[in-house]
Amino acid sequence: DIQMTQSPSSLSASVGDRVTITCRASQSISSYLNWYQQKSGKAPKLLIYGASSLQSGVPSRFSGSGSGTDFTLTISSLQPEDFATYYCQQSYSTPPTFGPGTKVDIK
Amino acid sequence: EVQLVESGGGLVQPGGSLRLSCAASGFTFSSYWMSWVRQAPGKGLEWVANIKKDGGEKYYVDSVKGRFTISRDNAKSALYLHMNSLRAEDTAVYYCARDSADTSMSDWGQGTLVTVSS
Repeated sequence: DIQMTQSPSSLSASVGDRVTITCRASQSISSYLNWYQQKSGKAPKLLIYGASSLQSGVPSRFSGSGSGTDFTLTISSLQPEDFATYYCQQSYSTPPTFGPGTKVDIK
Repeated sequence: EVQLVESGGGLVQPGGSLRLSCAASGFTFSSYWMSWVRQAPGKGLEWVANIKKDGGEKYYVDSVKGRFTISRDNAKSALYLHMNSLRAEDTAVYYCARDSADTSMSDWGQGTLVTVSS
C-alpha cells in the first residue's frame, strides 16, 4: 500500500496568512493526489483533485501543486471559515490512502 | 444537487453484524463507482471498500476482507455495507462517497456512527 505523510500535523495561523501544507507519497503517484477539508463534526469536502484542479465551487484562494511524490496545498489568504483539518489522498492505486491530516487553527 | 444519506448505524456487540445503507439522489447512480470511508473517533480517514458501477468489481481494505461486503442496488439508487464479525476497532463514523471520474471522492454523505462495544 502507498503510505501518505503530511507536514505539519498542525499549525496555528491568523486570518489573512498564507498557509502551505505538504503531502508526500511513499512512491510516485503521478498527479493522482486529492485534497479534502473537514470541519469538526462534518463530512470531508473535496477541494483539489488531480493535484492542481480546483473542485467546482471551491474558492480560488485554495491551490494545489506537485507531482510524483511531493505535493502542496496552499491557502493564499486564510479566512475564518478555513479553520479545519486538511487531508491528502492518493488515488493512484487501490487501496486509496489518506494522509494523517493537518489541523489548521486560530493563532 | 447530489445527496447521499447514510443510515443503519448503531451500537452492536463484538462479533455482531450490521448493515449500513446509503440512499443516493441528484445524479445517475448507476454511472458511478461508490465507496465507503470510515473515521474512528478522533482519528483520520480510512477507505473501506468500493464497488464498480454495475457491481461487478469490489475492492476492500485488508482489515475488513472476509468480514464486510459492499453491494448496490442501482434500481433503488442505494449502496450497502454488510458488516459481520464486528470488532471494537471497527467503531467509527462510516461515510458513503461518490467516486468521480477523475478518481477523487467528489461527494460525501453526513455519515453514520457504528459503535462496537459490549
